[in-house]
Amino acid sequence: QQQVKQSPQSLIVQKGGISIINCAYENTAFDYFPWYQQFPGKGPALLIAIRPDVSEKKEGRFTISFNKSAKQFSLHIMDSQPGDSATYFCAASRIQGAQKLVFGQGTRLTINP
Amino acid sequence: DTEVTQTPKHLVMGMTNKKSLKCEQHMGHRAMYWYKQKAKKPPELMFVYSYEKLSINESVPSRFSPECPNSSLLNLHLHALQPEDSALYLCASSQWLAYNEQFFGPGTRLTVL
Repeated sequence: QQQVKQSPQSLIVQKGGISIINCAYENTAFDYFPWYQQFPGKGPALLIAIRPDVSEKKEGRFTISFNKSAKQFSLHIMDSQPGDSATYFCAASRIQGAQKLVFGQGTRLTINP
Repeated sequence: DTEVTQTPKHLVMGMTNKKSLKCEQHMGHRAMYWYKQKAKKPPELMFVYSYEKLSINESVPSRFSPECPNSSLLNLHLHALQPEDSALYLCASSQWLAYNEQFFGPGTRLTVL
């Protein structure tokens, strides 16, 4: 119940295309869903996060779509650029009770020029 | 200052050595975390400090010993490590113990020979 399943494991997209990474969770008590971006040799950086009271959140070229009934959320990267090539981790947690972040297994995204 | 800094960047140690990893943040955050990350895997939580007190120990072997000297500093003391402990060690902080909006440092790449 604590798992977050992330797909695909790796993704190759052409420059200018849309990158889509999906995550699914089981624990309906989760109420915070962040996405982290990690470049090789660096720590993860918080990219964007969503709470379940909204179905979509957009920040620049990055959008989280959230489907509470399906217990799924996804990251869309519009107009993907070679600089977006990185590993992306979704995560989930429950704010009350200070539950730990449960990470997905990660998606290695490559944007071809 | 919105950074979490970690030193050293790289560390190579033998199995009989004693070494320490250091983490520092000046964001006024009162929760600090140690994570371990193996290649192509998500970060794994090791320890959590809240208001300078150890709050969570995720069943980490005693050869890892955390210390929080003050609200800005977090250390991880290493002794008698095994080669399988080689990994990227990440420090993170958050405003309080809510496990969300965590800011990660760049990590220390540890190699145990």
